Amino acid sequence: KAGVTQTPRYLIKTRGQQVTLSCSPISGHRSVSWYQQTPGQGLQFLFEYFSETQRNKGNFPGRFSGRQFSNSRSEMNVSTLELGDSALYLCASSITTDTQYFGPGTRLTVL
Amino acid sequence: KNEVEQSPQNLTAQEGEFITINCSYSVGISALHWLQQHPGGGIVSLFMLSSGKKKHGRLIATINIQEKHSSLHITASHPRDSAVYICAVSGAGSYQLTFGKGTKLSVIP
Repeated sequence: KAGVTQTPRYLIKTRGQQVTLSCSPISGHRSVSWYQQTPGQGLQFLFEYFSETQRNKGNFPGRFSGRQFSNSRSEMNVSTLELGDSALYLCASSITTDTQYFGPGTRLTVL
Repeated sequence: KNEVEQSPQNLTAQEGEFITINCSYSVGISALHWLQQHPGGGIVSLFMLSSGKKKHGRLIATINIQEKHSSLHITASHPRDSAVYICAVSGAGSYQLTFGKGTKLSVIP
């Protein structure tokens, strides 16, 4: 069974631009969560989606948004990029509140 | 909001040593997760615990719900165990994880 895939793996943007990251969960997994990892703050929860509904959102500004499609694939969008948005963005999928399976991440650099 | 504290932050061990990483949290949880992150970023879920003890190969995880404390033990450590180990907790019915800062383990041959 294929694992969680994230595209693109690496991305370079400039301040003020917007970016869309994609996550394809493991087949059969209906839950997708997104996390941001930075050297200073560590791992922080962004969103959780289940069956196309956002169930939880972390403490991030409105520039961060996401959605989930009927095939469980998910996207997150960051508008008006800031230097501090440079991070590794990870998504994870799961069937239940048991094990989460993480993707390899998208490393975003904002210049 | 749950606060998750890990100790130590950094740990260097000789190959073969027994290793313990600790995690404490401030508010009741439904589950505690131990994750492993290798250089390059990939994260692997090692254990999910709601009570007691779990063992997988040379890894053992325990949790004490009353004391709000968990430990991850590695027996007969090996250089391939070198990674960052992260403790995370989740609340009832939620996939939302709150993470500790991680413990960077280096095992020297």
